Amino acid sequence: DTAVSQTPKYLVTQMGNDKSIKCEQNLGHDTMYWYKQDSKKFLKIMFSYNNKELIINETVPNRFSPKSPDKAHLNLHINSLELGDSAVYFCASSQGGSLYYNEQFFGPGTRLTVL
Amino acid sequence: KQEVTQIPAALSVPEGENLVLNCSFTDSAIYNLQWFRQDPGKGLTSLLLIQSSQREQTSGRLNASLDKSSGRSTLYIAASQPGDSATYLCAVFLTGNQFYFGTGTSLTVIP
Repeated sequence: DTAVSQTPKYLVTQMGNDKSIKCEQNLGHDTMYWYKQDSKKFLKIMFSYNNKELIINETVPNRFSPKSPDKAHLNLHINSLELGDSAVYFCASSQGGSLYYNEQFFGPGTRLTVL
Repeated sequence: KQEVTQIPAALSVPEGENLVLNCSFTDSAIYNLQWFRQDPGKGLTSLLLIQSSQREQTSGRLNASLDKSSGRSTLYIAASQPGDSATYLCAVFLTGNQFYFGTGTSLTVIP
C-alpha cells in the first residue's frame, strides 16, 4: 500500500522519559510534516521538512526534535516528556513544500499518553 | 472560531448511484479546503484540494465545489462503487498553519 505510516500507533510512557515516533511515506513526496492534534478536529503544524531540510519550525518546546534521515522519513523525538505532551501526533507528506497549494496525505496518528 | 460540519454523518447507497456529501464551515477566511478519504486503521488519503480562489476541482468520478462566501463545499461521487466505502472528511486550512477537520461522513456502497 502506498501511504503515510507511523509507528507506534499508541505510546504510553512515564513523565520524564524520552521517546520517538517514526514516520515513513512511500508516495515519493519531498515534504513531510508533524502536526499535533489540539482538540478532536484541530491540527496545528509543528515542523515541516522539504528534501531533508527544515522549512517550518513553529513555536514548540525544544524538547521536541525532528530528524529526517532521508526524504521518505521524518521522525519526532521528544525529551523529558511532560503530562501536557499527551496528544495525538499526525505525520503528513506532500509533493511540494507549500502548505497552501499542495495536497497533504496524513498518517493514522500516534496517540501519546504521558502518565 | 472555526467549526466544520459534515452532513450526513452516515450514508448508505446501492452501487451505481450518484451521491453528494456536504461540508460547511463557519469562518470563510480559509486558504484552501481539502477532501480526504479514510479507510479503517489507515491514514488520510487526499482526494481533492480546492484553493480559496477556486470554485471546483475534478478527479475521475469525483467533483468538489467550493462556495467560500456561504461557507460550503460539496463532494460529488458519480457511479458509486463498493470500493468507495470509507469515511470522507473535509478539512479547511487556516492562518497559523492549522488544519480544522470536519465531523466526517461514513459512506457504505452496497453491491
